[in-house]
Parts: sequence; structure tokens; C-alpha cells
Amino acid sequence: AQSVSQHNHHVILSEAASLELGCNYSYGGTVNLFWYVQYPGQHLQLLLKYFSGDPLVKGIKGFEAEFIKSKFSFNLRKPSVQWSDTAEYFCAVSLGGTGRRALTFGSGTRLQVQP
Amino acid sequence: DAGVTQSPTHLIKTRGQHVTLRCSPISGHKSVSWYQQVLGQGPQFIFQYYEKEERGRGNFPDRFSARQFPNYSSELNVNALLLGDSALYLCASSTRDRGPDSPLHFGNGTRLTVT
Repeated sequence: AQSVSQHNHHVILSEAASLELGCNYSYGGTVNLFWYVQYPGQHLQLLLKYFSGDPLVKGIKGFEAEFIKSKFSFNLRKPSVQWSDTAEYFCAVSLGGTGRRALTFGSGTRLQVQP
Repeated sequence: DAGVTQSPTHLIKTRGQHVTLRCSPISGHKSVSWYQQVLGQGPQFIFQYYEKEERGRGNFPDRFSARQFPNYSSELNVNALLLGDSALYLCASSTRDRGPDSPLHFGNGTRLTVT
């Protein structure tokens, strides 16, 4: 079965700092990759997704992620974070080819942005 | 537009009891998925239903069951509750059962506490 690892459990940054959150998955076949965000008191929201094509994916709110197949990675980046980016971020994977809904999530990274 | 709605928002049950959680998908969405999120972990896939048929099942015991109704709403049932069933139960809906153009939309969840 596939698994997802998010090595940074808690990240603290100052506003305007650059962000990179790591995500690695274990599955040798075709995968679909996702980043979800959960703002305090809100539901999970999709930030961006990768199914095929350009491995550099741009999402909402200035976030982007790069799929590196050789490294089984899908790291999330943002050049300059804002206080409003304070949230928990989850990386997720589903088996490719079918795009089925059975997402496997990582354990999440809590991002705290200090003003 | 109304998002995915789940009821109740909070629930306290005793070990051995049974619980039913309910989910109403976004209007027009025909697929519903259920996830369990234990504190400090990412969501874990339980079930997916599409057009009232089960399309996927995660690694959960038979005490967990679900169904989808003709109006596409869904119920998750858990029998013989254990302390370890305490978690946030998330429902997610999508227009179809697969594909990059049909992302998951999550509800706020039902917080179940088993004492």
C-alpha cells in the first residue's frame, strides 16, 4: 500500500519568508498528487493537484508544487508567506490511471507565520 | 452555495454503542467519500460511494458500514464503538467518482468522542 511522509511537523516562519514543505510518497506506479490546506476552524480545501503534464503545478494563493518522479517527491512552495497562510497543510496521493478517490494523506505540517 | 454539510457536529458515545453520522453533498455531486482523522494524523480513507454503489473501501473493520441514498446523501454507521474510534469523521463529495476535473470538497466533520 502507498504511504505519504511529511517530515516537517511544525514550521514557524516570519512574514515574507519563503516556504518549502516536503512530501514524499512510496508507490512505484502512476500517482495523482494533492496538497490540501486546513485553516483554523475551517474545512480541508484543495490547494493544488497534479495528474499529468507539466510537473510544476500552480495552485491558489500563490502556492506551487513540483513533482519529481525520480525522488518520489511533491514539495509545496511559496516565495513569500503571509500571516494568513497560518494553517495545517496535508499532502495526499491516489493511484493514477483511475484517479480514484481513495486518497492517502500524510500526517500534516502545521505552519505558523509570525507577523 | 451550500458546501458539504455534516451532522451532528459533535457526538459523545459510550463503548459498545452504535453511531450514525450523516452527510449531505454539494448539490449536483454524486460521489461521497468518508475519512477518519485521528488527532495528530492525516485523514484515513474509509469508504467511497458513487450513484449509491460502493466504489472503494479502506482498511477498516466490518463494524464500519455506509450507504448512499437516492438524493446522494450518505450515512456512516459504526457498531460496537471502541475508544479508538474517537476521531473527526470527514465527508467529502465530488461530481464524479474519479478524474482530475472532479476534486473532493470536504465538510467540517463530525467530532466523535467514545468514553
